[in-house]
Amino acid sequence: QVQLVESGGGVVQPGRSLRLSCAASGFTFSSHAVHWFRQGPGKGLEWVATISNDGNRKYYRDSVKGRFTISRDNSKNTLYLQMNSLRGEDSAVYYCARENVVVIGTPTFYFDHWGQGTLVTVSS
Amino acid sequence: QSALTQPPSVSGSPGQSVTISCTGTSSDVGSYNRVSWYQQPPGTAPKLIIYEVSNRPSGVPDRFSGSKSGNTASLTISGLQADDEADYYCCSHTSGSTYVFGTGTKVTVL
Repeated sequence: QVQLVESGGGVVQPGRSLRLSCAASGFTFSSHAVHWFRQGPGKGLEWVATISNDGNRKYYRDSVKGRFTISRDNSKNTLYLQMNSLRGEDSAVYYCARENVVVIGTPTFYFDHWGQGTLVTVSS
Repeated sequence: QSALTQPPSVSGSPGQSVTISCTGTSSDVGSYNRVSWYQQPPGTAPKLIIYEVSNRPSGVPDRFSGSKSGNTASLTISGLQADDEADYYCCSHTSGSTYVFGTGTKVTVL
């Protein structure tokens, strides 16, 4: 069955870095675009970043551009999020999610499987 | 990247219907049929319940239905059941190649 398992969360001081990982299994990882989302404490869902199936296209929300980098290793079936210059407002549960695919390389714009999330707390 | 507007809460008795609105702009909801809905019970990950405005993934009951008119999408839950209690979020792809979520709606079954 499809599984997405996030790891790498924790407590980090403002200005420091953290790298999140998302291990995928149960499907052909290299066929799917994948995304990072986050949800602050008591807040709503927020899209963070997207990477295409081949890693050639990347998109970010404005508030993380220049600080966060999304990447993937299709040989390891793993998605990453490198987070630098962390701020208090980055504190959240971070989820990875798979975008559904009908034709490889063509977006479908919806997310059919989600991981359980990993908590990032930015605090001094 | 302003969030789409949803009512904070809706409620209904078992068996009744409730509708959640999701209002955006011509740059997101109004531009394409790229609207999806997610159900999130407390303490769990979101689950896809509607995609492309009105399509249901396999396994999602037909009590859940979606529609769109102009810049507003809607989710209707018919025959409300106790396990429908959750937060619900709409999501739209945007003309800027980003995604925007709604503010979220808490559904309470009375």
